[in-house]
Amino acid sequence: GESVGLHLPTLSVQEGDNSIINCAYSNSASDYFIWYKQESGKGPQFIIDIRSNMDKRQGQRVTVLLNKTVKHLSLQIAATQPGDSAVYFCAENKLGYSTLTFGKGTMLLVSP
Amino acid sequence: NAGVTQTPKFQVLKTGQSMTLQCAQDMNHEYMSWYRQDPGMGLRLIHYSVGAGITDQGEVPNGYNVSRSTTEDFPLRLLSAAPSQTSVYFCASRPLPGTANEKLFFGSGTQLSVL
Repeated sequence: GESVGLHLPTLSVQEGDNSIINCAYSNSASDYFIWYKQESGKGPQFIIDIRSNMDKRQGQRVTVLLNKTVKHLSLQIAATQPGDSAVYFCAENKLGYSTLTFGKGTMLLVSP
Repeated sequence: NAGVTQTPKFQVLKTGQSMTLQCAQDMNHEYMSWYRQDPGMGLRLIHYSVGAGITDQGEVPNGYNVSRSTTEDFPLRLLSAAPSQTSVYFCASRPLPGTANEKLFFGSGTQLSVL
């Protein structure tokens, strides 16, 4: 579990800041996107999802933005807390198809 | 409701040994899958199943076998372990594609070391 973070892009923020994690996806046919959070030693946990007929979706303290023109996805975390420290993965697939394709992940480090 | 349960949590093997990683889910999900996670590589799909009796290969299937005799269980078998199979393995499940809920539920992982 602890080795997941090696060689990953890292975003370091202060507690209370807003965080933005970016993801470029590869398949222009993808129409469903998910963000997962993975804490050290645990499995990935679902955060938020968005379908391609939307540009923006909000959850509790999190917002996902989708730009299909440039195949870009972002996760915004408001008022980041130390408990948000984790590796964040985006994933994509085409609705109705079985397999999700995951990005390589970004490590978020939140300092108190 | 336990979700997705994986056993064991840790395992050390010698090269050439065989073993089975267990995965069970109690959510009546048709779709189950195995991923491996390596540093800097993200999650890569090994095998998946869309229902009992149906399995298919993912991105990195070589060296692994699966079977799906029941909806609940999806074991992953390493026939002859190699050091390249040292990794963290995750099992995940969800309802079939095309339903309202497409998100995967993950187990807590099995950390495997092959010496």
